[in-house]
Amino acid sequence: GEDVEQSLFLSVREGDSSVINCTYTDSSSTYLYWYKQEPGAGLQLLTYIFSNMDMKQDQRLTVLLNKKDKHLSLRIADTQTGDSAIYFCAERRAGNTDKLIFGTGTRLQVFP
Amino acid sequence: NAGVTQTPKFRVLKTGQSMTLLCAQDMNHEYMYWYRQDPGMGLRLIHYSVGEGTTAKGEVPDGYNVSRLKKQNFLLGLESAAPSQTSVYFCASSYLQGGYTFGSGTRLTVV
Repeated sequence: GEDVEQSLFLSVREGDSSVINCTYTDSSSTYLYWYKQEPGAGLQLLTYIFSNMDMKQDQRLTVLLNKKDKHLSLRIADTQTGDSAIYFCAERRAGNTDKLIFGTGTRLQVFP
Repeated sequence: NAGVTQTPKFRVLKTGQSMTLLCAQDMNHEYMYWYRQDPGMGLRLIHYSVGEGTTAKGEVPDGYNVSRLKKQNFLLGLESAAPSQTSVYFCASSYLQGGYTFGSGTRLTVV
């Protein structure tokens, strides 16, 4: 299908790690992105990964890419209450005139 | 730099009224996009533009029109608003192969 799929909700305790998963559809996707949306705000680019990489780490964020299974994940270490937001994955499909295809978003709730 | 600015931030329309949403970017990006965001449906692309004077349809273009007369501006028009167009609208811009920069959104209610 055409959809980029994510689970809708994730709830974690403050200080634990969060893992947000995403399944995309096009094996020729060139870049994959993670965006964060806080309440009442637009989407903010968190990180991205090239399709020829299988991991990227940026401070508390770790992105893992499994091209064979078309699976992308975002791990947030030491999750804080400020990490509560909606997280969107997005894929850039090759030859698709620079459009990103977004997932439905995962709402992360961090409780004390 | 302001990045991507959307106006207005909120609007309530009556069914059948028209309005234009304005998006302005100051990053000299070639590409601009209009998305709508609805609960449980993520972001859906309405229209996009790959450069000044060009526009193209996205996933859900019906009921909307767009214009890109100047590189920095991308206008989204609703000619005859319907309740189904109640949504949050986001504009974004990018350069080729770059990530998108989003505006803060316009919350539109059609009654």
